[in-house]
Amino acid sequence: KAGVTQTPRYLIKTRGQQVTLSCSPISGHRSVSWYQQTPGQGLQFLFEYFSETQRNKGNFPGRFSGRQFSNSRSEMNVSTLELGDSALYLCASSTGDRAGTDTQYFGPGTRLTVL
Amino acid sequence: AQSVAQPEDQVNVAEGNPLTVKCTYSVSGNPYLFWYVQYPNRGLQFLLKYITGDNLVKGSYGFEAEFNKSQTSFHLKKPSALVSDSALYFCAVRDRETGGGGNKLTFGTGTQLKVEL
Repeated sequence: KAGVTQTPRYLIKTRGQQVTLSCSPISGHRSVSWYQQTPGQGLQFLFEYFSETQRNKGNFPGRFSGRQFSNSRSEMNVSTLELGDSALYLCASSTGDRAGTDTQYFGPGTRLTVL
Repeated sequence: AQSVAQPEDQVNVAEGNPLTVKCTYSVSGNPYLFWYVQYPNRGLQFLLKYITGDNLVKGSYGFEAEFNKSQTSFHLKKPSALVSDSALYFCAVRDRETGGGGNKLTFGTGTQLKVEL
């Protein structure tokens, strides 16, 4: 099976702009989660989508939003970019087992730089 | 709230020697624990997980981890380290407080493993 893919791999934006990141999960996986990785804060959970519905949300401002399509592909949007949004954004997919025993498989990430 | 701690920022080991990367956890209830590895400019690769059952979990690339409930630890181990094992290792715990399923992982701060010849 193909792994999790994320596009684009690299992005450079300026403050105030908005950006959309895309994630295609492993075939058959219905859950997509997003994480932000920075040197200062480490890995932080943004949100999770399962069957087109947001199932969990982390502690990020409303500028961060996402959605999931019927084919399980997901997009993440960040509006009004700030310098502190510069990070590696990681997407992870899993079957979405309600018991919570499934494994999340990560994509290679999108490196966002805000100037 | 659930959390994991990785007390060592960096671990240095000689190739061929055993390695241990430490992780302790704090959860309410039974923990679901994971180890991931990250190579430079790459995403996270899954190594192994503990859900229930045997306390010794075997994973990818010869890694294993020992779950110790009394010490609330989940240390990652490998009998013989390779230079290619040099990478950033993360311990994580599944957040089971949200209910109704859910895939929120809480990660430790990571441990840089350096294996030298």
